[in-house]
Amino acid sequence: AQTVTQSQPEMSVQEAETVTLSCTYDTSESDYYLFWYKQPPSRQMILVIRQEAYKQQNATENRFSVNFQKAAKSFSLKISDSQLGDAAMYFCASGEDSGGSNYKLTFGKGTLLTVNP
Amino acid sequence: EPEVTQTPSHQVTQMGQEVILRCVPISNHLYFYWYRQILGQKVEFLVSFYNNEISEKSEIFDDQFSVERPDGSNFTLKIRSTKLEDSAMYFCASNGGGAGEQFFGPGTRLTVL
Repeated sequence: AQTVTQSQPEMSVQEAETVTLSCTYDTSESDYYLFWYKQPPSRQMILVIRQEAYKQQNATENRFSVNFQKAAKSFSLKISDSQLGDAAMYFCASGEDSGGSNYKLTFGKGTLLTVNP
Repeated sequence: EPEVTQTPSHQVTQMGQEVILRCVPISNHLYFYWYRQILGQKVEFLVSFYNNEISEKSEIFDDQFSVERPDGSNFTLKIRSTKLEDSAMYFCASNGGGAGEQFFGPGTRLTVL
């Protein structure tokens, strides 16, 4: 079974600054994927970034990047040039194959990010 | 851009009543999921569905829960006899297979009184 741990219940950052959200995970699978989802007050789940475990290169999406440390089972999210619209709950998630290309997601408890103007 | 839709957005029911939550996944997707999020807590996997049958279910998904794809477009979650602890946000998600992004619907907020 997978577990995902987010040790920071809340974080805050000044607008235009950089913030890093932490995530660690545990899995016995060799084939798995890691995700960061954003949940604004509307509670819609929005994918921020995705990382394949077999890829050594860290994923990047515009201002969002990850630091994937496979041996340490760590998957942190860095948000650069933070904007007010980045304020949300951020969930780290892992996905492993349940069989037949069926990937269920296991989520962490989330980190609430506040962006201060 | 295609999106997953869910209805209703908010459902209020009395304890013991049956509810059906509806989802329309993205049309060419093959894998469907239900997750739930109790207020203030993390999102939890309930069930996955592929090729008209359940692929995997969590321990939360007991005999009170069932899923169905009654036609080519809808994907439903039924709770036969709701309990107070079923109050939560229920998310439907779909993807085309593999570890591609799971696209989430906006959720149905279920309140059991």
